[in-house]
Parts: sequence; structure tokens; C-alpha cells
Amino acid sequence: SQTIHQWPATLVQPVGSPLSLECTVEGTSNPNLYWYRQAAGRGLQLLFYSVGIGQISSEVPQNLSASRPQDRQFILSSKKLLLSDSGFYLCAWIGQGLAGNTIYFGEGSWLTVV
Amino acid sequence: DAKTTQPPSMDCAEGRAANLPCNHSTISGNEYVYWYRQIHSQGPQYIIHGLKNNETNEMASLIITEDRKSSTLILPHATLRDTAVYYCIVRPRGYKYIFGTGTRLKVLA
Repeated sequence: SQTIHQWPATLVQPVGSPLSLECTVEGTSNPNLYWYRQAAGRGLQLLFYSVGIGQISSEVPQNLSASRPQDRQFILSSKKLLLSDSGFYLCAWIGQGLAGNTIYFGEGSWLTVV
Repeated sequence: DAKTTQPPSMDCAEGRAANLPCNHSTISGNEYVYWYRQIHSQGPQYIIHGLKNNETNEMASLIITEDRKSSTLILPHATLRDTAVYYCIVRPRGYKYIFGTGTRLKVLA
């Protein structure tokens, strides 16, 4: 069966420090991968999605970036964090090629920028 | 992408049916309606989806109007564990999954 993992689960980072959140999917190949952010009390904001290795689409201009170095690995990064980057970050995946396929989420990563 | 509109919050008595509405008046013919829910501090969980016909599974029922411009998620016997934020989204054949702000359902004892 397919599983998705992301880490770290929680982190506290100072303003101006770098960030790296990692997500991996098991049990499937060539998935579409997504990064979402959820600020406190707010809805889910789509940040990035990827349909293949090295292919990244950005939905919101910001100081975050994403990379997909391997088929089932998706990384969210920042060179210098801002206070406004605090939130709950979720990685997600769906399979390729099926019209009515569902999206599955990881456990999430809580980021607090101080 | 079709947008969805949901009430920001609803209350429901435990054991009663919870009926959560969603408006998607700009939906096109090949777009599916999906429902997810998010319990605090967890990732959203898939509930059900449909295209034209009403659907039912072990968690809920989905009623889609004939013109497909709105739908209702029904939790037949709500429990305290159903307290969550419920998202209605429209899934196009492209790659984007856009979530709105959802409906915060509170099940009352």
C-alpha cells in the first residue's frame, strides 16, 4: 500500500535561518506531489506542485522554494525564514492518469519562526 | 478552476444528521466534487467524491443536484469525533487541488 511521510514533525527556527522539509512517498511511482501551508485558523494554501522529477510549479510568490530530486521525494526549502512563514506544512500526493483520483496527505510539519 | 462556497461554521447535535452544503455554480462537466475533512493538527482526510450521481460509503453520503451547481455532504449520525473542518473542492482533470476555507462543524453532546 502507498504511504507518505514528512519530517520533521515540528521545528522552531529563528528568523533568517534556512529551512528544509522533506517528504517521501512509498508504494507508488510517478506521483503528482504537492506542498500546502496552513496558517493558524486559516484554510489550506497550495504552495507548489510537481508532476515529475525536476518539474516544479509555484502557486504563490514567496521566499520558499521546492525541489524534486527523485521520483518520490519532494523538498520544501527556504534560504532565510520570515515570521510569516510560520504555519502547518502539508505534503500530499495523487496518482497519475486517473480522472477521479483522490489526494492523500502526510502527517504535517509544524513550523514556528521566532 | 471552479470555486466552491461553504458556510464558515455549523453546529449539529450528536446522533443527528449533519448536512453540509457546498455551492459550486461554475463547475464544468468533467469536474468531480470531492469532500475532505481535517481534524485539528492533522492532514485532511478523504471522505467521498462524485461526478453526477449521488454516492454513499461507510462514512457519508453525497447528494449532487441535477444541475451539479451544488452538493450536500450528509453524515447520517454525527458523533463528537466528527467535529472537524470539512472541505468541498472541485477536482479538474488538471493538476491543481485548490482548497477553500471549509465549514467548521461542531458536534454538540
